[in-house]
Amino acid sequence: AQRVTQPEKLLSVFKGAPVELKCNYSYSGSPELFWYVQYSRQRLQLLLRHISRESIKGFTADLNKGETSFHLKKPFAQEEDSAMYYCALSGGGAQKLVFGQGTRLTINP
Amino acid sequence: NAGVMQNPRHLVRRRGQEARLRCSPVKGHSHVYWYRQLPEEGLKFMVYLQKENIIDESGMPKERFSAEFPKEGPSILRIQQVVRGDSAAYFCASSPTGGAHYGYTFGSGTRLTVV
Repeated sequence: AQRVTQPEKLLSVFKGAPVELKCNYSYSGSPELFWYVQYSRQRLQLLLRHISRESIKGFTADLNKGETSFHLKKPFAQEEDSAMYYCALSGGGAQKLVFGQGTRLTINP
Repeated sequence: NAGVMQNPRHLVRRRGQEARLRCSPVKGHSHVYWYRQLPEEGLKFMVYLQKENIIDESGMPKERFSAEFPKEGPSILRIQQVVRGDSAAYFCASSPTGGAHYGYTFGSGTRLTVV
């Protein structure tokens, strides 16, 4: 079975501090992992994909197959990073995404 | 490019009524996905459709729920005889090809409230 766990429902950090949003997954094959973000009053949108190994808005995420994790990191948080973040998994050529419960990130000034 | 359009944004129905949720995908996208988000939970997959075909409905409740994506017009998620437990946000997403690896484009969602 495919499962995504985001252990923190809420995360609050100060501006300029490092941020790490945790994501663990359960899947027996080779997964594709994603981070989606929803800013206030906006639609859910793709932030980054593990296969593209890119940095978007200063965020990076590395797939750790040994720990079955895909944590999202940013070295210096900005106030505009405040949003809801969802980790998602797609496996085995399946078209559907399995989402975690989401983490609400608040950046304090 | 207007993106994925969902309507209505908010829908209130009494128990036992029918709810119809519409989704117009991004122009040129022929793959549509419906997700449901219950309060305090993540998005749960319901159904994946291509034009005129249901590809994967493994997340659809077995009764009262149906979905279609006709050759012309929007995709429709239909809930018959709604119950309070159907109250949720329903999101539609589209993609140009099947598969999640390029990411989906999501709509703003329809918030269904059953009273």
